[in-house]
Amino acid sequence: AQSVTQLDSHVSVSEGTPVLLRCNYSSSYSPSLFWYVQHPNKGLQLLLKYTSAATLVKGINGFEAEFKKSETSFHLTKPSAHMSDAAEYFCVVSPSRGSQGNLIFGKGTKLSVKP
Amino acid sequence: GAGVSQTPSNKVTEKGKYVELRCDPISGHTALYWYRQSLGQGPEFLIYFQGTGAADDSGLPNDRFFAVRPEGSVSTLKIQRTERGDSAVYLCASSPGLAAYNEQFFGPGTRLTVL
Repeated sequence: AQSVTQLDSHVSVSEGTPVLLRCNYSSSYSPSLFWYVQHPNKGLQLLLKYTSAATLVKGINGFEAEFKKSETSFHLTKPSAHMSDAAEYFCVVSPSRGSQGNLIFGKGTKLSVKP
Repeated sequence: GAGVSQTPSNKVTEKGKYVELRCDPISGHTALYWYRQSLGQGPEFLIYFQGTGAADDSGLPNDRFFAVRPEGSVSTLKIQRTERGDSAVYLCASSPGLAAYNEQFFGPGTRLTVL
């Protein structure tokens, strides 16, 4: 069975400092992995996705994530946090690389950014 | 262009009542997904359609839940004999197809409250 574990329910950083949101996955197949962001009262938005060979994936708003098969991890990073980054972030796995089917979401990490 | 829209944005009902939640996907998107997000949790898959047919309904919690997409565009999620545990935000998403590289675009959700 496929699953994702987000290791922190809440992360707080100061504006201008690096962001690290941790995610580990479990998959019987070679997975597709995603990070989505959910701002208050707004719909989920795709930040980035891993579906093929490039293990370092760049997304929108300066975020990136690295797929590490040996560690079964897909951590999300950003060099410098902005106030507008405050939101809920979800690590997501799709069971197979070939087709999406249902997405499996982690429980989310709430990112707070202090001035 | 228009994104995924969901109506109503909020629905309050009494235990035992029947409700319908509507999703208008992005025009031309053949795949449509329903998820449910309970408070403090990530979205959980319910059902997805490719065209008019339900390709996977394994996430529907029980037979009180049913969804249709008769013309391959708009979808309706139907819940019979609602229970307090059905209270959640119901999310709809659409994508151009089922391939893993296709992004799922999410609507803002319908917040269902069962009293």
